[in-house]
Amino acid sequence: IAGITQAPTSQILAAGRRMTLRCTQDMRHNAMYWYRQDLGLGLRLIHYSNTAGTTGKGEVPDGYSVSRANTDDFPLTLASAVPSQTSVYFCASSDSSGVGNEQFFGPGTRLTVL
Amino acid sequence: GQNIDQPTEMTATEGAIVQINCTYQTSGFNGLFWYQQHAGEAPTFLSYNVLDGLEEKGRFSSFLSRSKGYSYLLLKELQMKDSASYLCAVTDSNYQLIWGAGTKLIIKP
Repeated sequence: IAGITQAPTSQILAAGRRMTLRCTQDMRHNAMYWYRQDLGLGLRLIHYSNTAGTTGKGEVPDGYSVSRANTDDFPLTLASAVPSQTSVYFCASSDSSGVGNEQFFGPGTRLTVL
Repeated sequence: GQNIDQPTEMTATEGAIVQINCTYQTSGFNGLFWYQQHAGEAPTFLSYNVLDGLEEKGRFSSFLSRSKGYSYLLLKELQMKDSASYLCAVTDSNYQLIWGAGTKLIIKP
């Protein structure tokens, strides 16, 4: 693994189903983030983690949950998917959550909820 | 509220210079980033400004004026591969990034 990976690449999901998007980084970064990107809107932060064992809510956390059991993995779970969660999801990481730390992005997961 | 404004789309000619503007109103300011995003790909880091002035990095330069809540990204000697979206993002008082919707730059031969 080099950098940050996400799985699956894309997924079509029936409304009401549960779904977990996976994110793994091998850069030993402390901070990790989940964003969604919708046409015409900027990236919006869903949840973040400043270090393993801690998580926080971003701008649009409703309907999503995360966990950070270790440094490398930061899965995002949709408990009961709804069509408004159709989006492209990006996971990102940075060395720390402090000022000036560049965020590195995974390739994204394109999710369609029908 | 927090707001980042960028033009939605710009067109420029190969070999020319283009300036992409970004204005922001955020709760606090702890730096401004520019990212490049090619269609269907992830954003990648271009530049970071935290003090007023110009930061130059090869063909790309970024300028910041904190008093005016204003930044621009300057791209010189445009190449076809520069066709992409350019995202402006500000670190707010909570150290979270607030993102603009991005500027789609179209390069014509």
